[in-house]
Amino acid sequence: EVQLVESGGGLAPPGGSLTLSCIASGFTFSDFAMNWVRQAPGKGLDWVSTISADGTGTWYADSVKGRFTISRDNSINTLYLQIHSLSAEDTAVYYCARPMVRGVVHFFEYWGQGTPATVSS
Amino acid sequence: DIVLTQSPGTLSLSPGERATLSCRASQSVSSTYFAWYQQKPGQAPRLLIYGASSRATGIPDRFSGSGSGTDFTLTINRLEPEDFAVYYCQHFGTSPLRYTFGQGTKLEIK
Repeated sequence: EVQLVESGGGLAPPGGSLTLSCIASGFTFSDFAMNWVRQAPGKGLDWVSTISADGTGTWYADSVKGRFTISRDNSINTLYLQIHSLSAEDTAVYYCARPMVRGVVHFFEYWGQGTPATVSS
Repeated sequence: DIVLTQSPGTLSLSPGERATLSCRASQSVSSTYFAWYQQKPGQAPRLLIYGASSRATGIPDRFSGSGSGTDFTLTINRLEPEDFAVYYCQHFGTSPLRYTFGQGTKLEIK
């Protein structure tokens, strides 16, 4: 069974940093590109970032480019998202998500339960 | 950049009725890269439809997707109580790589 378990959210001050993690199980992690999607309170879904299966390719939404860094460690089946220079607009639930099948990245079939991050002083 | 606009914002229907949800793209897109999701309060989104018209694993056949170009539709026949949720459309862009979501349609019980 595919499982994605996020952690690392919580309360952080404006200007601070957070590192989110997503531990994957139930599939060969190194075969799949992985993604972060966020959802601000009461708002819709917002794609944040994607990383290729081998970690050599990364892509970011324009709104987070330069402040967010996606990475992965395939030896421990873990996806990361580092967030710097936090602002209130980064307050959201952050989901990690996996495509349906290897090599087809058009949509996300598997999602974690999300980790909430709140930016506040 | 492609913008996805969903309508209506809220749809009020009764169980047993048919729901028709619309998603319009700001420019023509490939059906291959178009999907629909369902999200219930406090839960992660669930993939319903991919490739504009293919049902994801385990999705009941009362859910169907159609459309091409700029206009896509999610139809839910014979609404069940568990179908009342928020629905999002999504497009995958290749150059540059990006995923765009619509703003969502809330399907509520009338």
